[in-house]
Amino acid sequence: QKEVEQNSGPLSVPEGAIASLNCTYSDRGSQSFFWYRQYSGKSPELIMFIYSNGDKEDGRFTAQLNKASQYVSLLIRDSQPSDSATYLCAVVLSSGYALNFGKGTSLLVTP
Amino acid sequence: EAQVTQNPRYLITVTGKKLTVTCSQNMNHEYMSWYRQDPGLGLRQIYYSMNVEVTDKGDVPEGYKVSRKEKRNFPLILESPSPNQTSLYFCASSLSLAGADTQYFGPGTRLTVL
Repeated sequence: QKEVEQNSGPLSVPEGAIASLNCTYSDRGSQSFFWYRQYSGKSPELIMFIYSNGDKEDGRFTAQLNKASQYVSLLIRDSQPSDSATYLCAVVLSSGYALNFGKGTSLLVTP
Repeated sequence: EAQVTQNPRYLITVTGKKLTVTCSQNMNHEYMSWYRQDPGLGLRQIYYSMNVEVTDKGDVPEGYKVSRKEKRNFPLILESPSPNQTSLYFCASSLSLAGADTQYFGPGTRLTVL
């Protein structure tokens, strides 16, 4: 079983602060990494993908990948109450076809 | 409109009564997969398909079957459902699992097996 680990939270941050979400994975051969957002009762929606070491920025979101340490993180700047959701980390396994999800981190942004 | 559709959206059934949950996508995607989501366990992959007639097991395939006879459809079959298959099921599709290819999720099917 290839593991993807996330802190379940809830992570509570005040509006306007930076939320930091972390994920570690066990399959050293993994190449592609995703962050999904899921509102309660809804389908997951893709926020970011990253496959190179370093940072990738898209608006208020920054994904960070460190393959040597096997972790990937998501930073949300200027957090808004509408960012309150569960954030899922997903990793494409080294086979290239199977996708493993972490259990998700619940984020609560308080006004 | 690009979309993944699932039917039914809600289903209550009884143990042992065969059922099929349909999944269809209109984006000509090659990769499709099924997930189940349970509280505290997250999203777990049941089966995936890389193309027509090519399928493989995910993490939790026991008790499920799939087929991929056409590119757009990927039905999930429960031959003899049991209460432990009560869950929220999602179908998803993408061109591939490469980083740039967004995986689109269907709206979900909430299944209850009594």
